[in-house]
Amino acid sequence: GENVEQHPSTLSVQEGDSAVIKCTYSDSASNYFPWYKQELGKRPQLIIDIRSNVGEKKDQRIAVTLNKTAKHFSLHITETQPEDSAVYFCAAGGSQGNLIFGKGTKLSVKP
Amino acid sequence: GAGVSQSPRYKVAKRGQDVALRCDPISGHVSLFWYQQALGQGPEFLTYFQNEAQLDKSGLPSDRFFAERPEGSVSTLKIQRTQQEDSAVYLCASSVQGAHSGELFFGEGSRLTVL
Repeated sequence: GENVEQHPSTLSVQEGDSAVIKCTYSDSASNYFPWYKQELGKRPQLIIDIRSNVGEKKDQRIAVTLNKTAKHFSLHITETQPEDSAVYFCAAGGSQGNLIFGKGTKLSVKP
Repeated sequence: GAGVSQSPRYKVAKRGQDVALRCDPISGHVSLFWYQQALGQGPEFLTYFQNEAQLDKSGLPSDRFFAERPEGSVSTLKIQRTQQEDSAVYLCASSVQGAHSGELFFGEGSRLTVL
């Protein structure tokens, strides 16, 4: 089945800097790659997603890139703000129709 | 309802007890997912339904775990003879179609503590 690896597990940046989180997946049949943000004690919420027919997608300060050949995708957050501090999870849409998550990256943005 | 609803929000069980966790998905959502999230970890896939059909149960950790969605709406995750390692937050999520179709909407979770 699908396996998703996520790095780094923790990331600390200064306010205004960029943050990059990387994920790799194993199932070449996966074609949907969302990113979820989970604040402490709250439910995960979708922030951006990308499908395999697209190499890059951007939404304001957030962008995601996908390299299907290498089976990796990344989340880029520019001009980070303290409210970006949270745990971010990547996921890959498995060929069976389920969704497999990475272990998460705890992002801390220092003011 | 407005969102995915889970109950109970908190459950404390003695080791060996059986527990049942309920999920009310968003009305009309075809797909329903159960995940287990240990402290500081990512959601671990348990099982997935499309309507009443359980299409994938490969993530259930043992035969003590059982899930059902008999009428294609409400789902129940049952854990028999609970063990301490079962302590986690159990997240339910629903989506309009399968995971490939778009956003999963999560409930707030049921936090299970096994003593």
